Amino acid sequence: GENVEQHPSTLSVQEGDSAVIKCTYSDSASNYFPWYKQELGKRPQLIIDIRSNVGEKKDQRIAVTLNKTAKHFSLHITETQPEDSAVYFCAASLGGGANNLFFGTGTRLTVIP
Amino acid sequence: DAGVIQSPRHEVTEMGQEVTLRCKPISGHNSLFWYRQTMMRGLELLIYFNNNVPIDDSGMPEDRFSAKMPNASFSTLKIQPSEPRDSAVYFCASSPAGTGLREQYFGPGTRLTVT
Repeated sequence: GENVEQHPSTLSVQEGDSAVIKCTYSDSASNYFPWYKQELGKRPQLIIDIRSNVGEKKDQRIAVTLNKTAKHFSLHITETQPEDSAVYFCAASLGGGANNLFFGTGTRLTVIP
Repeated sequence: DAGVIQSPRHEVTEMGQEVTLRCKPISGHNSLFWYRQTMMRGLELLIYFNNNVPIDDSGMPEDRFSAKMPNASFSTLKIQPSEPRDSAVYFCASSPAGTGLREQYFGPGTRLTVT
């Protein structure tokens, strides 16, 4: 089955700096990669996603890159703000649905004002 | 729209007792998902339904876990008998037809503690 690994488990950055979170996956059939943000005590929220036919996607300060050959994908947050502090989860699935949906273990991002 | 509604928000029960978690998806959504989140195992998809039909329950950990969706507006996740290792936050989520995970809305979660 699929195995998604996520690094680092914790990340602290100064406000205004960039943050990068990396994930690898094992099943080459996975073709949809969402990222979730979960603030303390709250529910996960999808913040950006990418399909395997795309190498990069951006949405304002957030971008995701995908290297299908190497089977890894990364979340990039630029100009970090204190409200970006949260746990971020990557995931991989087949076809954009819940088939073979597996999550990374999460990265706790702290943005220091 | 009230969003996905889960009840109870918190549940404390003793080992061996039956636990039933409830979920009301967003009206008009036809996919419903149950997740479990723990510190040790992170976020796991337990089961999901399309049009009230269970599609994939491979994430259900054991036979002690069962889920039903008797109609489009209600689903239950039952644990019988419960064990301390079932302690977790259980999230329900729903999404509109054809959107899969992209427009998935999570409920607030039920924090279950089994003593």
